[in-house]
Amino acid sequence: NAGVTQTPKFQVLKTGQSMTLQCAQDMNHEYMSWYRQDPGMGLRLIHYSVGAGITDQGEVPNGYNVSRSTTEDFPLRLLSAAPSQTSVYFCASSYGGPGSREQYFGPGTRLTVT
Amino acid sequence: AQKITQTQPGMFVQEKEAVTLDCTYDTSDQSYGLFWYKQPSSGEMIFLIYQGSYDEQNATEGRYSLNFQKARKSANLVISASQLGDSAMYFCAMRDPPNSGGSNYKLTFGKGTLLTVNP
Repeated sequence: NAGVTQTPKFQVLKTGQSMTLQCAQDMNHEYMSWYRQDPGMGLRLIHYSVGAGITDQGEVPNGYNVSRSTTEDFPLRLLSAAPSQTSVYFCASSYGGPGSREQYFGPGTRLTVT
Repeated sequence: AQKITQTQPGMFVQEKEAVTLDCTYDTSDQSYGLFWYKQPSSGEMIFLIYQGSYDEQNATEGRYSLNFQKARKSANLVISASQLGDSAMYFCAMRDPPNSGGSNYKLTFGKGTLLTVNP
């Protein structure tokens, strides 16, 4: 198993540009989520999905869109990048059943918006 | 709303000694889960240990143990026999209570504690 994969590892954008951060998992997990990590802030939930076709907002959803057309993939879209979106982005997945004991994290994408 | 507090921004420990990283949580729910993750300088998030709110015994995973005191709402991580490779950021996290469908997924993280192990 590759686990949770994210691409790209690094990205530099100019203000106003758009891009998609890719996330895929091969563990047939129902639940997938996106977090951002800023210095001194820990990880904060952006969006999550409990299955194909179902998404919902987390703590900091503004400026981000998601969709879940397949179980495996959960891309995060920045429609018009802003410097405040400079952060490290983590994708995570879990099987999501009651008592699920672990979320598997991808390696992260470091995004800089200038 | 769930809240996780890690009051130690940084901790130092000598190699081979034990260290305790503090975590307190705030919730009004009876069913919840507590996690600890390690983030080395390379950046990945590594799952260490899990404690369910109804688990009667403290969780242990190798050199990691979780000192779970439910009445005090604390879930401290104890690392025994510290190694140089334990130097990293450590995050405590809580899983939201189950939704109406019985599933629970979302994690709320603390701000982390940076552990440095000295030789």
